[in-house]
Amino acid sequence: EAQVTQNPRYLITVTGKKLTVTCSQNMNHEYMSWYRQDPGLGLRQIYYSMNVEVTDKGDVPEGYKVSRKEKRNFPLILESPSPNQTSLYFCASSLNRNEKLFFGSGTQLSVL
Amino acid sequence: RKEVEQDPGPFNVPEGATVAFNCTYSNSASQSFFWYRQDCRKEPKLLMSVYSSGNEDGRFTAQLNRASQYISLLIRDSKLSDSATYLCVVNILGAGNKLTFGGGTRVLVKP
Repeated sequence: EAQVTQNPRYLITVTGKKLTVTCSQNMNHEYMSWYRQDPGLGLRQIYYSMNVEVTDKGDVPEGYKVSRKEKRNFPLILESPSPNQTSLYFCASSLNRNEKLFFGSGTQLSVL
Repeated sequence: RKEVEQDPGPFNVPEGATVAFNCTYSNSASQSFFWYRQDCRKEPKLLMSVYSSGNEDGRFTAQLNRASQYISLLIRDSKLSDSATYLCVVNILGAGNKLTFGGGTRVLVKP
């Protein structure tokens, strides 16, 4: 089944404790992206990747890191999480940046 | 002005009625347009792409008005299961050439 797999679904952590949210797609998509969704602010892009080893900042990259060592995986790293990073996060992929996006099921992150 | 704007609603719709809402975009060179549906705290799912000539998928009809820079979504014979937030997505050319999301329009279909 074609899908984007994102883990974990829920995560509660404390300020400053490094964490990684994993994202994997099995559709051989070149384009992958991370979004955060906050009430009243909609979906905002954090980072995106056009292909392996090619990543770039989105609209709200501060406090986040990504890597794209393999085509299928695009992890989101929070080196030192802060409470303002409490949010609902979505990973997405598509054939290219102009095509329809397929989303993972989301990660609800709470930073205490 | 936001690049992609939507009326947040909610649109309260009697079951069986028709509802329509728009999404405006600021960049006239935008090329790709989509409607996504999002249920509460779930991932957005593609509802339909929007083509220049307009397109229909069952009870859903999408239109593109390039002159006035908006797209629309019309839902006929609303079902309770149509209750969701509908996200407009536009490919913004220029810096970034990326897909940009509107804030969403919430639709509540009631018996």
